[in-house]
Order: sequence, then C-alpha cells, then structure tokens
Amino acid sequence: DAGITQSPRHKVTETGTPVTLRCHQTENHRYMYWYRQDPGHGLRLIHYSYGVKDTDKGEVSDGYSVSRSKTEDFLLTLESATSSQTSVYFCAIRGSLGELFFGEGSRLTVL
Amino acid sequence: AQSVTQPDIHITVSEGASLELRCNYSYGATPYLFWYVQSPGQGLQLLLKYFSGDTLVQGIKGFEAEFKRSQSSFNLRKPSVHWSDAAEYFCAVGGDDGSARQLTFGSGTQLTVLP
Repeated sequence: DAGITQSPRHKVTETGTPVTLRCHQTENHRYMYWYRQDPGHGLRLIHYSYGVKDTDKGEVSDGYSVSRSKTEDFLLTLESATSSQTSVYFCAIRGSLGELFFGEGSRLTVL
Repeated sequence: AQSVTQPDIHITVSEGASLELRCNYSYGATPYLFWYVQSPGQGLQLLLKYFSGDTLVQGIKGFEAEFKRSQSSFNLRKPSVHWSDAAEYFCAVGGDDGSARQLTFGSGTQLTVLP
C-alpha cells in the first residue's frame, strides 16, 4: 500500500463546469503525477510536481491546471470541463528507484 | 523523446500455457523499464522493474522480463498462466536524467485466459 488516496472516486458533471480532483499521499514523496487513461492510449501524463509549488506540464496538459500547496496534496483542476475530458484519472507518486505507485483512480464523466 | 510500443492489443492463452508479452521502447540513454498490471476497475500494480545489472529480472506473481538492449525490447514472460492473470498489462520506460523523471507508458495488452 503506497498510501495514496484519490477523491472523488467517481464524478459526473456537465460541460463547462469546473472540477477538482484531489490526490493525497501519506509518505512524504517529493514527486507526484497526474495521468489520464483512455482506451487505446494507455496512460498519458497530464502534469507532475517535483515539490511544493513546483509543477510542470506533461504531454496532455491543455485544459488542466494543478496545484501543490502541501507535500501531501496534489490537486488537478479542469477549469471548464469538456466531453473529451471524460476519462479515468490516476495519481501516482515516485518511489526511490523511479518506479511509480498509483492510486485507485477517479472516474470522471462529462455530459 | 521516449516512447513505448506494445504491438499486441489483445492476447488469448489457455490456462497453463506459457505467455510472452512484447514491449519495444525508444529512449536516448540507459532506460529504466517497468511492467505494470491492471485488473478491471483497479489501479496499476508494479510487476517488475529493470534499472541495471542482470538483464533478466524477476517480479511478483511468477513473472519475469528480459532486457535486450540490441533489440530495444523488454518482453514479459510467464511459464504457466493462471486464470487470475487475466488483466491488462502495461510496459513503461523512464530514466533518471533531469528531463525524464516521468514514465511513458505503452497502450497496453489485454490478456484473456481460457479455462
């Protein structure tokens, strides 16, 4: 158990509404990541963080923002959700040897 | 840029048969390589990892993988598949140079196990 909690686990929202997903870790890891998973695409990196208030973009960052005000929390925000952002979102932390440990995922449906 | 190709979208094997899942990667330096497994509705679980040294690595659940630098491959194997191995498998590549502290994943291989 890597001590990662994602919330909410399921959310249905409407196009144009803001959405925030939360990732909470209990093990003081420096690196945290947000990936999205879609059929046929595997996992694609949205944003990652390498410390408090230090974040960077991944390959599919358009339409997403992140914040990390505390080591343990990494928030992913969709400012104005679109149907193309319907996906399963995974948070991950980086272990000491570069491996990632994943949360259980947050399934988001945008109607 | 780093990339991973899993050529097989779906593989079906009979229980007790051997298994090999293919993974090819592209990476500019010495790669770190990983295999993950995902059961329906679950997160990804790390099966095994390669960083350096012995090119044959052992993982959990009886899986192993072999790193072949000349072929840019990191194929996953299991001598005898169990019904509980049915899942989706992802290969990933990363490294420890400053520009690549994130993993890039393949698109996955769905494994079906026949009784």
